[in-house]
Parts: sequence; structure tokens; C-alpha cells
Amino acid sequence: EAQLVESGGGLGQPGGSLRLSCAASGFTFSSYWMTWVRQAPGKGLEWVANIKEFGSEKNYVDSVKGRFTISRDNAKNSLFLQMNSLRDEDTAVYYCVRGQSFFRIWGQGTLVIVSS
Amino acid sequence: DIQMTQSPSSLSASVGDRVTITCRASQSIGANLNWYQQEEGKAPKLLIYTASKLEGGVPSRFSGSGSGTDFTLIIASLQPEDFATYYCQQFYSLPRTFGQGTKVE
Repeated sequence: EAQLVESGGGLGQPGGSLRLSCAASGFTFSSYWMTWVRQAPGKGLEWVANIKEFGSEKNYVDSVKGRFTISRDNAKNSLFLQMNSLRDEDTAVYYCVRGQSFFRIWGQGTLVIVSS
Repeated sequence: DIQMTQSPSSLSASVGDRVTITCRASQSIGANLNWYQQEEGKAPKLLIYTASKLEGGVPSRFSGSGSGTDFTLIIASLQPEDFATYYCQQFYSLPRTFGQGTKVE
């Protein structure tokens, strides 16, 4: 069974950094685009970034460009999101998601709170 | 960016009701639209892809239609487990964008 498990969330300071990880299992990780989607408390879903199967293409929503970096390690079946220059508005549950168009497999999410 | 607008933002319904949720795109997206269901405190679940194709394991009371800019999700007979929030999502272009959600309560 395909599964995604996020980790690395927690409290981050404004201007600080956090690194999210996502461990994939139950499918051939290197065969899929991967995506990060976030959801601020009580709000809707926001696509954040995606990365091609072998990392040759990466895309970001404008609000995180230059601050967040998506990456992957196919040998370890892992997806990452390096979050720098954190802002209050980055507070959200971050979901690791399989796919680039159809989001069939979602992790349980990891909560990031940006606060001083 | 393509803006997705859902209506209504919330609706009150009873078990057995027919529920209709609409989603409008700010430009034509063909049939490049998906629908998701999100229960409270859980990750979203794909219901309908490419506007009208039912995801495996999803009950047949769910259906989707539309193309271009106007799309509809219908729940033919609302069941207790369907009380949730529903989102549309376009995959015509980047960034992928979601509607603001429709809460069925």
C-alpha cells in the first residue's frame, strides 16, 4: 500500500528555517512527480511546489520562490522541503503528495507554526 | 494564475438530499479539473479526476461534469459520511490552484 509520512514540522521563528521530510513507501518513488501542498489553520488548500521524478524540474508558488527549496533523494525514497526566511503566513499543515496533476496519495501532514 | 471559485462556500443538507457544488475557473481549463473531499482533521481524498472520472473505490453517488470554465460536483443522495469539505483543483497550468472549498454540514 502506498504511504507517505511527513516529519520535521514544529515551531519556527520568523526569519528562521525548517526542513520538512517525507518518507515514501509502497510504490516506486522515482517514477512519480512529488508535490507539497499546505493548509493554513481553518483555510483552504494551497499548492506549494513540485519536483520531477529525478529532480530535473522544480516549480514553486510565487509566495515561496527564493525562500523554499524542494528536493528529493530517490535512493532513500524521500522528499524534502527546505523552508528559509519563514514568515507568519507560512504557518500551516504541510502535506506531501504523490503526483503532479492528480493527487491520489497524501501524507497525514506535518504542522509548521511560525511565531516568535 | 488561474483562479478557482466554488459556490456555495457552505451548505446545509440532510441525509438523502441531492447536493450540487459548482466550481468556476477564471479561464478555460478544458477538462483539467479534479475534486477532493476532506474530512475534519484528515488529508484530502481524490474523488473525481479529469472533470468526470470516478476515482476507484469512490461511491457512485458522486459524479462530476463540466468543461471549459464551469464544473459541477453532484452527490446524488447524501450519506452521513459525506459531511465534509469539498475542493476543486485545476491542473491545466502551474501553479496548481484549488477552489476555496465548500463545507457540507
